[in-house]
Amino acid sequence: AQSVAQPEDQVNVAEGNPLTVKCTYSVSGNPYLFWYVQYPNRGLQFLLKYITGDNLVKGSYGFEAEFNKSQTSFHLKKPSALVSDSALYFCAGGTGFQKLVFGTGTRLLVSP
Amino acid sequence: GAGVSQSPSNKVTEKGKDVELRCDPISGHTALYWYRQSLGQGLEFLIYFQGNSAPDKSGLPSDRFSAERTGGSVSTLTIQRTQQEDSAVYLCASSLLASSYNEQFFGPGTRLTVL
Repeated sequence: AQSVAQPEDQVNVAEGNPLTVKCTYSVSGNPYLFWYVQYPNRGLQFLLKYITGDNLVKGSYGFEAEFNKSQTSFHLKKPSALVSDSALYFCAGGTGFQKLVFGTGTRLLVSP
Repeated sequence: GAGVSQSPSNKVTEKGKDVELRCDPISGHTALYWYRQSLGQGLEFLIYFQGNSAPDKSGLPSDRFSAERTGGSVSTLTIQRTQQEDSAVYLCASSLLASSYNEQFFGPGTRLTVL
């Protein structure tokens, strides 16, 4: 069965520091991987996706993620965090026409 | 352009009553998904529709839950005889196709509170 894991319930980082939100996946075949962000009282917003090609994917708001096949990971990164990045982040994965599987979410808290 | 819309935004009901939640997907999107998000929890898949194919109902938690999609567009999620554990935010999403490589676009959700 497909699964996506986000091992950290919360990540704390100071504004201006780099941030990483971790995601690992277990998907048979070639995976499609996504990151979504959810701001308070809002629906999920698409950030970026990996389908094929370059392992480093750039997305909205200065975020990027690196696909690492050997480690089955797709960690979300940003070189310099902003307080406004504080939100709930979801990793999701799937393959082919299988429905996406979402991780449990990681709350990012950026302190001033 | 218009995104995914959901109504109502908030619904408070009494235990045992039926509720209907509505989702209007993005025009032209053939795939539509329903998820449930309980407080502090991740997304729980409920059901998805792809065009005229039979829906994937594998995530519906009980036979009190049902959904339909009329004319390949608007969808209604119905919960019969609501229970307090049904309290959650119900999210709808649509995508161009049901393939995993198409990103899903989410609505703002309906917050359901069962008293």
